[in-house]
Amino acid sequence: DIQMTQSPSSLSASVGDRVTITCRASQSISSYLNWYQQKPGKAPKLLIYAASSLQSGVPSRFSGSGSGTDFTLTISSLQPEDFVSYYCQQSNSTPWTFGQGTKVEIK
Amino acid sequence: QVQLVESGGGLVKPGGSLRLSCAASGFTFSDYYMSWIRQAPGKGLEWVSYISSSGTTSYYADSVKGRFTISRDNAKNSLYLQMKSLRAEDTAVYYCARAAGWFHPWGQGTLVTVSS
Repeated sequence: DIQMTQSPSSLSASVGDRVTITCRASQSISSYLNWYQQKPGKAPKLLIYAASSLQSGVPSRFSGSGSGTDFTLTISSLQPEDFVSYYCQQSNSTPWTFGQGTKVEIK
Repeated sequence: QVQLVESGGGLVKPGGSLRLSCAASGFTFSDYYMSWIRQAPGKGLEWVSYISSSGTTSYYADSVKGRFTISRDNAKNSLYLQMKSLRAEDTAVYYCARAAGWFHPWGQGTLVTVSS
């Protein structure tokens, strides 16, 4: 199975900050990497697919990059609604696996 | 609009069974792979199973293989998850999602609690 390791597990930031979350795969997954945002008590929402493609309707402050084993999700200017949890997920091979999540908190 | 609505969750005793349903609308259900993903209370996301658009192919996480069965009825635009021999560690919110490698959209989830 491909293990997905996210870092950090949590971070504190302020509105307007630029934030980067990292996801590392235990083996190469090409660009088969997706990012989700989850608000408390709600279902996850797709932000980025295929490493860098922005899902329709997602604000342009969200961006993704990377290939192979190392990937990043960047939020260019944190907004109040962005202080929630984020997960990466590989779709290179089954079992499809998720990172453990990153919680973005207000500093 | 595209919508997925899960149902069938509840409280079940260890060793018991439960069948979850997911009603799809707003898209051509028979064109898409579908998946179940779960989230234990306060924990991360775990992919459980997926099924091909025709229903002929399915895959399972090792943690549920042999106990859970995914199925679909394209005539009814519905996805199912039959769960047997349930364990305490199966307690989670179960989400259905349209699968294309990535998962989008997701349903609102249904809570399954396995406890005596």
